[in-house]
Amino acid sequence: DAGITQSPRHKVTETGTPVTLRCHQTENHRYMYWYRQDPGHGLRLIHYSYGVKDTDKGEVSDGYSVSRSKTEDFLLTLESATSSQTSVYFCAISESINAGELFFGEGSRLTVL
Amino acid sequence: GESVGLHLPTLSVQEGDNSIINCAYSNSASDYFIWYKQESGKGPQFIIDIRSNMDKRQGQRVTVLLNKTVKHLSLQIAATQPGDSAVYFCAEDSTGNQFYFGTGTSLTVIP
Repeated sequence: DAGITQSPRHKVTETGTPVTLRCHQTENHRYMYWYRQDPGHGLRLIHYSYGVKDTDKGEVSDGYSVSRSKTEDFLLTLESATSSQTSVYFCAISESINAGELFFGEGSRLTVL
Repeated sequence: GESVGLHLPTLSVQEGDNSIINCAYSNSASDYFIWYKQESGKGPQFIIDIRSNMDKRQGQRVTVLLNKTVKHLSLQIAATQPGDSAVYFCAEDSTGNQFYFGTGTSLTVIP
């Protein structure tokens, strides 16, 4: 299994509070991604990174920000959580874009009350 | 935006039978496709991929077929086993930096 660790794995928070999810990889892969998974929508890309301090928006980026200060860490931040952000969040990594598989973490379940 | 959909949300098959999971996509520019398997409580795992210059690709017990004319791909699992029970997703990429995933098909293998 690819070395991807997500933390926390489960979190319950209240509307309006900030939340940060962390993705840590030990594979030294260049590309890192944050997806959310919701019933009826499959996996949707939030943000991705193609290198340290290089990030770009995905399909559903509103309300989310990301940072990547080191190759191994990719942080997803919800500045002010809303109930619509209740979801399971997956981090993924890949060696290259459009040339191979994504390796996914185990997911972080976030509940916003 | 992209539209990747699956024909059936659930599929039940007898152990030992072959399974076929279908996926339709809408972007004719998509040139790379991947099938993923997701077991309960886990992240998706790569099964097999195919590029648009191919019609068929085989792996261990799995075959992916791509029909670009009707923008359809399928995943065939031979001799389905209980361990194959999971949700299967197709994903497409046309931009070179974003995969679009379907909503998934839940496969249940009946012993």
